[in-house]
Amino acid sequence: DTAVSQTPKYLVTQMGNDKSIKCEQNLGHDTMYWYKQDSKKFLKIMFSYNNKELIINETVPNRFSPKSPDKAHLNLHINSLELGDSAVYFCASSHLQGNYGYTFGSGTRLTVV
Amino acid sequence: AQSVTQLGSHVSVSEGALVLLRCNYSSSVPPYLFWYVQYPNQGLQLLLKYTSAATLVKGINGFEAEFKKSETSFHLTKPSAHMSDAAEYFCAVSEVDTGRRALTFGSGTRLQVQP
Repeated sequence: DTAVSQTPKYLVTQMGNDKSIKCEQNLGHDTMYWYKQDSKKFLKIMFSYNNKELIINETVPNRFSPKSPDKAHLNLHINSLELGDSAVYFCASSHLQGNYGYTFGSGTRLTVV
Repeated sequence: AQSVTQLGSHVSVSEGALVLLRCNYSSSVPPYLFWYVQYPNQGLQLLLKYTSAATLVKGINGFEAEFKKSETSFHLTKPSAHMSDAAEYFCAVSEVDTGRRALTFGSGTRLQVQP
């Protein structure tokens, strides 16, 4: 029944490693997003995909690469992890047009040691 | 570009008291506006949203917000605070009818409820 599900919920890894976070939504939305929440709780958009097409790409290091195999999935791959990447990453989905709300996943807490 | 300002990073109220969390937005056109709540170690839950219909919007858990275009504000209120309301609250804005519907969030307000 989970509308937007992310895995894993917690991720602890060493600097320099490569890791992926997966996101899936079963709401029939056509747009998915990745947000980053830093240690001060500030939330910022990273990427957005509409029907598998990248429509928003904020100033995020090239080490971050989103991949959308279909409109129900948006994964985030991070290369060469750095200490500053430690944060909570939220996936969300919505319809691109019209007045529809956004649904967020429960977040992935990434800790780089 | 749109932006959101939340006045007060921390608000403390007594149980049963009025809750008022302030949000002002900046947008070139009337936007969609949202309030989200985040409980400790959890995701974001939608409290309510403004979509250019009624200016007074009622949400879940007894919260409501009033859109005031002249003041570019969308303050969140609840008549009587409950201990379970203690959480982080985020105001957010979204552009209307563009190809860019990502949310821009305010910096958040932590609500503490004292017994």
